[in-house]
Amino acid sequence: DTGVSQDPRHKITKRGQNVTFRCDPISEHNRLYWYRQTLGQGPEFLTYFQNEAQLEKSRLLSDRFSAERPKGSFSTLEIQRTEQGDSAMYLCASRSDYYNEQFFGPGTRLTVL
Amino acid sequence: AQKVTQAQTEISVVEKEDVTLDCVYETRDTTYYLFWYKQPPSGELVFLIRRNSFDEQNEISGRYSWNFQKSTSSFNFTITASQVVDSAVYFCALSEAGTGFQKLVFGTGTRLLVSP
Repeated sequence: DTGVSQDPRHKITKRGQNVTFRCDPISEHNRLYWYRQTLGQGPEFLTYFQNEAQLEKSRLLSDRFSAERPKGSFSTLEIQRTEQGDSAMYLCASRSDYYNEQFFGPGTRLTVL
Repeated sequence: AQKVTQAQTEISVVEKEDVTLDCVYETRDTTYYLFWYKQPPSGELVFLIRRNSFDEQNEISGRYSWNFQKSTSSFNFTITASQVVDSAVYFCALSEAGTGFQKLVFGTGTRLLVSP
């Protein structure tokens, strides 16, 4: 299967801890997006990479959040000093230069206790 | 600013009924894309369709059909002869066209429950 994969699928952490999520996009896709989805809402954009360059960040991405995409392949999203309000589903999506549809991974569900 | 409104929070139908999910959007862009995604209970968003703003031709794919009307800024989705497997949350989304990064702006979704 060559779809978008995310790891872990679920993460439970205590408030104040740091967490890191990983996303592996579809191999030929050079554009990668992170979104956050809370219960009963649609996904909200967090950040965008084109190859290894982070070209756009949402205001939702506070300074506790950092994302990287070394070598333009997989991406990581780190949340430092987690808060209960960070509890959400974190979704990764990728797309190619030639088509406009984004393909999503299964998401990482974060629960902050 | 871009905005997508899905006024129907939840719809319940009985199998084999037809159902239409409404989507209204707002954008200042002259060219844009519209999308529908399905989110089953497993949680993964599944791409269904993309429509370019300059192409108002309606589309049919099996039991699914989409009605794009630029004059009313609507992009409605109809499922004909619904099945239990259609039960999911459906999201309408909008993105700019052109050379920008084209983030998706989602509506709040419509939960469809199809009972046997």
